[in-house]
Amino acid sequence: EPEVTQTPSHQVTQMGQEVILRCVPISNHLYFYWYRQILGQKVEFLVSFYNNEISEKSEIFDDQFSVERPDGSNFTLKIRSTKLEDSAMYFCASGRGAPYNEQFFGPGTRLTVL
Amino acid sequence: GDSVTQMEGPVTLSEEAFLTINCTYTATGYPSLFWYVQYPGEGLQLLLKATKADDKGSNKGFEATYRKETTSFHLEKGSVQVSDSAVYFCALSGGGMDSSYKLIFGSGTRLLVRP
Repeated sequence: EPEVTQTPSHQVTQMGQEVILRCVPISNHLYFYWYRQILGQKVEFLVSFYNNEISEKSEIFDDQFSVERPDGSNFTLKIRSTKLEDSAMYFCASGRGAPYNEQFFGPGTRLTVL
Repeated sequence: GDSVTQMEGPVTLSEEAFLTINCTYTATGYPSLFWYVQYPGEGLQLLLKATKADDKGSNKGFEATYRKETTSFHLEKGSVQVSDSAVYFCALSGGGMDSSYKLIFGSGTRLLVRP
């Protein structure tokens, strides 16, 4: 059964450094998403991506964040200058959109900013 | 805006007990509703879904019915097992003219099943 994969599983970085989180969505899906979950808290939407552009982003997704689908299979989230409060689990998800809107999640990347 | 409210946990049950986790939502339009499960140290797995009023989603003995009149989507299981111990998230998508189909999650309910 196809699944969403993410790398790395754990990333440790120093405050102010750039990080890139990578995801390979399910191949016939058209919608791609990033969510984050700060330890012990709810899962929060960051950004959705469709037809090679951002379709929606949350207030969390400020100028420090960017997404890219560089080669038709990978989907990346870049944080330009990490802050302590960016420490969280980051989940990539993909889906087909209407009519059911269901999304399938990767296993997550745990980002620790020191 | 759209939102999801779940009962606070943790919920602690003995094996074979009946489970209910309450979920209510606020949304414009007609959202799709989901339950996701997160086992310790793992990502989110889709457990079940319902896309319109009165639909019943079911999977692995879990059920939830989309109740538009009470804006609820409560999760139930007749007989829980130790292996059901996890965090359960209620979520909605696509309630209004939102074209991105983003998921809005509740805060999650931790279930602990004791042998």
